[in-house]
Amino acid sequence: AQSVTQLGSHVSVSEGALVLLRCNYSSSVPPYLFWYVQYPNQGLQLLLKYTSAATLVKGINGFEAEFKKSETSFHLTKPSAHMSDAAEYFCAVSDRSFGNEKLTFGTGTRLTIIP
Amino acid sequence: DTGVSQDPRHKITKRGQNVTFRCDPISEHNRLYWYRQTLGQGPEFLTYFQNEAQLEKSRLLSDRFSAERPKGSFSTLEIQRTEQGDSAMYLCASSLGGGKQFFGPGTRLTVL
Repeated sequence: AQSVTQLGSHVSVSEGALVLLRCNYSSSVPPYLFWYVQYPNQGLQLLLKYTSAATLVKGINGFEAEFKKSETSFHLTKPSAHMSDAAEYFCAVSDRSFGNEKLTFGTGTRLTIIP
Repeated sequence: DTGVSQDPRHKITKRGQNVTFRCDPISEHNRLYWYRQTLGQGPEFLTYFQNEAQLEKSRLLSDRFSAERPKGSFSTLEIQRTEQGDSAMYLCASSLGGGKQFFGPGTRLTVL
């Protein structure tokens, strides 16, 4: 069974500082990995996805994530935080082996930006 | 690409009533998923359709829940005899495969 662990349910950073949100995964097969962002009372928006083409994945809004197989990690980073980055972030894993590519999500990390 | 839409956005109901939610996926997407998200948690998979066929249901989907996708287009999720524990955000997503799912805005259900 696949699973995702997000370390830190709440992260606060100052505006302009580095954002680092941590995600570790467990999967018996090479997975798809994703980061989604959710703003209050809204659905999820895909930030980026890893599908094995490259270990460093660039996404929208200046975010990127690096797949490290040896550490089973897929941490999300952004060099300089902006106030508009305040939201809930979810890491997710999908088993690419079968037709049902259902997502298994972590519990989320709420990012607060300090002015 | 008009995105995934869900209706209603909010539903308040009394315990014991039946509710039905609708999801309209992106038109060419053959895969459709339903997820449930409770407060402070990530979404959890409920069920999956490929075209009109419901191919997988989570154990979370009790007998009170039923989902359909007639003609492989829109989908409905019905909850019978609602309970307070059903209060959650119900999210729909559609996909063409390749791992990328597009989510709708969700239906927030409150059971009083």
